[in-house]
Amino acid sequence: DSGVTQTPKHLITATGQRVTLRCSPRSGDLSVYWYQQSLDQGLQFLIQYYNGEERAKGNILERFSAQQFPDLHSELNLSSLELGDSALYFCASSATSRTPGGYTFGSGTRLTVV
Amino acid sequence: SQQGEEDPQALSIQEGENATMNCSYKTSINNLQWYRQNSGRGLVHLILIRSNEREKHSGRLRVTLDTSKKSSSLLITASRAADTASYFCATDVTSGTYKYIFGTGTRLKVLA
Repeated sequence: DSGVTQTPKHLITATGQRVTLRCSPRSGDLSVYWYQQSLDQGLQFLIQYYNGEERAKGNILERFSAQQFPDLHSELNLSSLELGDSALYFCASSATSRTPGGYTFGSGTRLTVV
Repeated sequence: SQQGEEDPQALSIQEGENATMNCSYKTSINNLQWYRQNSGRGLVHLILIRSNEREKHSGRLRVTLDTSKKSSSLLITASRAADTASYFCATDVTSGTYKYIFGTGTRLKVLA
């Protein structure tokens, strides 16, 4: 157990639907990062939050949004889902917005859009 | 586009042999990290090397960094079947956004 908890582990949903992925960072970590991993795209950075504020944005679609709550857990919302959104979604956390010690990754949420 | 790219994409070796993976990146960095991912699992941080370091060791792992060539290598010595995994390099971009960009990964298979 890495200390980063992601729920659910698996999600199967239909095109056009909306889902919410949840991440609880490791205790004491203030920064949360979301990544998408699909077979043909590798690991793509989506977005970073630090202590409730958005810090960096990557290749995140407009249909996707995220937030970090006061208790530091984060949610990634995916809407108007398409088949191509099927992927593993990882959350990672680190102590600060700089990551000298590296990220701690959760085990991921596998999203299948049918 | 990817900041880092690993080479080779896939590598198959016998147990006990050494495995070398390379990572090339495009822009200046503050530091570079290597991660391991077992199939379908989360990534595990292996080692971090700062831009002012040239070599770093951790157990059977040896990482080198050549900032003039914008490249890094990960050497796993005396490989074991348990080392079978995908290995990724991750680089931070020095634009102040403090996010790490991952490469495409090397799939290592160690045959018993």
